[in-house]
Amino acid sequence: ETGVTQTPRHLVMGMTNKKSLKCEQHLGHNAMYWYKQSAKKPLELMFVYSLEERVENNSVPSRFSPECPNSSHLFLHLHTLQPEDSALYLCASSQFISGSLNEQFFGPGTRLTVL
Amino acid sequence: GDSVTQMEGPVTLSEEAFLTINCTYTATGYPSLFWYVQYPGEGLQLLLKATKADDKGSNKGFEATYRKETTSFHLEKGSVQVSDSAVYFCALSEGGGADGLTFGKGTHLIIQP
Repeated sequence: ETGVTQTPRHLVMGMTNKKSLKCEQHLGHNAMYWYKQSAKKPLELMFVYSLEERVENNSVPSRFSPECPNSSHLFLHLHTLQPEDSALYLCASSQFISGSLNEQFFGPGTRLTVL
Repeated sequence: GDSVTQMEGPVTLSEEAFLTINCTYTATGYPSLFWYVQYPGEGLQLLLKATKADDKGSNKGFEATYRKETTSFHLEKGSVQVSDSAVYFCALSEGGGADGLTFGKGTHLIIQP
């Protein structure tokens, strides 16, 4: 595997289900991100992890719970979602070096549908 | 806060036409600027970037120049191909930390043979 991979690629869940999205980066990066891509809206940053610590949470509802067990893996745990949470969830990674360009590499995304 | 504004599509052109996709930004500091492209069913790929005023990013025939005076980073290509059909996103990043990118809404480009 190379780059950033995400599983599953598609997920359909009911509002009472609990599921998890997985992201893995094979680039040796030390920062990882979750974004939400909804139709007709800009990509929204959800969470940032740098050196395995959460550094930013853009007021995301608590029904989304991130986990970063190591620098290569990032999870997004989902529970009691709403239909408006249906979107493409993108994971990205970058190499954080103070003062350097923050070039992010994206995975293919997980297409989530909440019924 | 930071924001990025880009023309919304769809933009439909014939093959070999000249392409311009406008992008303007607001930022408190001196951001780095990016263009990402998203092909159907795929994630975002970095197309080009610029880190300071008057820098020109280029890749695959696409170009964009960082214009501080007009806070713009317009994407151009002299002769588009059908394979360029995709959604193009302008984005910025302030500082050099592990910051999230601020994206525009994306421009859907359709190239007809």
